[in-house]
Amino acid sequence: AQTVTQSQPEMSVQEAETVTLSCTYDTSESDYYLFWYKQPPSRQMILVIRQEAYKQQNATENRFSVNFQKAAKSFSLKISDSQLGDAAMYFCAYRVPPNYGGATNKLIFGTGTLLAVQP
Amino acid sequence: EAQVTQNPRYLITVTGKKLTVTCSQNMNHEYMSWYRQDPGLGLRQIYYSMNVEVTDKGDVPEGYKVSRKEKRNFPLILESPSPNQTSLYFCASSPLYRGSAKNIQYFGAGTRLSVL
Repeated sequence: AQTVTQSQPEMSVQEAETVTLSCTYDTSESDYYLFWYKQPPSRQMILVIRQEAYKQQNATENRFSVNFQKAAKSFSLKISDSQLGDAAMYFCAYRVPPNYGGATNKLIFGTGTLLAVQP
Repeated sequence: EAQVTQNPRYLITVTGKKLTVTCSQNMNHEYMSWYRQDPGLGLRQIYYSMNVEVTDKGDVPEGYKVSRKEKRNFPLILESPSPNQTSLYFCASSPLYRGSAKNIQYFGAGTRLSVL
């Protein structure tokens, strides 16, 4: 079964500094998708960034970028120039690829990393 | 505005009293799903639906029911709630494109349920 592991329950960063959140996953599939979601205190789930496994190029979205290491099954999130609004719980997620006979959108989540941003 | 609407946002109930959490999406998505979020466990899928009248169990379906009579609605039913169902619940929807990362899931705002 596929699993997603976030080994850092909590992290802290100074405003304007850079922080990296770790995520590893286990799968026997070669085609899949990876996501980082942000959950601020409002509890809303916000998609931060996504990566397709067949793409070698690391995804970037403004201050957010990933380091995708397929062989190592690692998918870390780097937040540059951290802002107070980045403080949130961050979830790494893996999407089960299409099964034979039908597609599925099931997301498998890690346990989350709570990021604090210090002014 | 594209959105997934869950109601209620907060609910306190007692053991055994049937309840329904509603979920509605306005994006004509085929796929809808329910997750529960618990501290230290992340989000886990309860049930999902690929289209009208097509539903299936996720990873933690015990004690829950769902129905999909209309494309836009996917209610979560707790026939006899128990304290271990105290949790934060999310409904999500997405289009169903095979093999595409573009079918990202849109989440509702969450329902905080407490069962006493």
